[in-house]
Amino acid sequence: GAGVSQSPSNKVTEKGKDVELRCDPISGHTALYWYRQSLGQGLEFLIYFQGNSAPDKSGLPSDRFSAERTGGSVSTLTIQRTQQEDSAVYLCASSYYLQGDTQYFGPGTRLTVL
Amino acid sequence: AQSVTQLDSHVSVSEGTPVLLRCNYSSSYSPSLFWYVQHPNKGLQLLLKYTSAATLVKGINGFEAEFKKSETSFHLTKPSAHMSDAAEYFCVVSASGGSNYKLTFGKGTLLTVNP
Repeated sequence: GAGVSQSPSNKVTEKGKDVELRCDPISGHTALYWYRQSLGQGLEFLIYFQGNSAPDKSGLPSDRFSAERTGGSVSTLTIQRTQQEDSAVYLCASSYYLQGDTQYFGPGTRLTVL
Repeated sequence: AQSVTQLDSHVSVSEGTPVLLRCNYSSSYSPSLFWYVQHPNKGLQLLLKYTSAATLVKGINGFEAEFKKSETSFHLTKPSAHMSDAAEYFCVVSASGGSNYKLTFGKGTLLTVNP
């Protein structure tokens, strides 16, 4: 079946602009996760959703970052007033269950902030 | 807290020779351990997963890994490298207990396969 999809695949924006990154999880997966992959920090956990709720937002680097999930499916990660240090690949993953289940990753969105 | 150390940032092998990618972990409890592979401009793909059922775990594409608790290691091996194995490999540990959804990634090992 279809895997996790993310859009756009690439996004170039100017410093100070807002961006929205979208994730479509595998159908039927209840848990959804956002990670960030950057040169300096490697792969970092940002936030996860169980259904439409986000019990753990501990990985969000600042209050400029927010995420929502609607209908237990699509999720959007929003970065307000982007900064150059936000440049990274943003990866989304989903799993059927939350606890200990295998996470399946999307291809990522490469964000470049000029 | 859990952590993962991948001992080599870059490994280069010749096609047809064995592959060894080393990983050590730190975890307060019995961990779940994973190896993921990332080909250029592609997403992360799960190679294999250890969850305490068996210490030798077989994955896709001929890869396997052995969990050694006494050495806190989870090294990835393959008997014979193919050109298509060239990619970046990540050793991953999940947190224990109620937070075992949160994956902690190693820094990655770039595998180069020479003809």
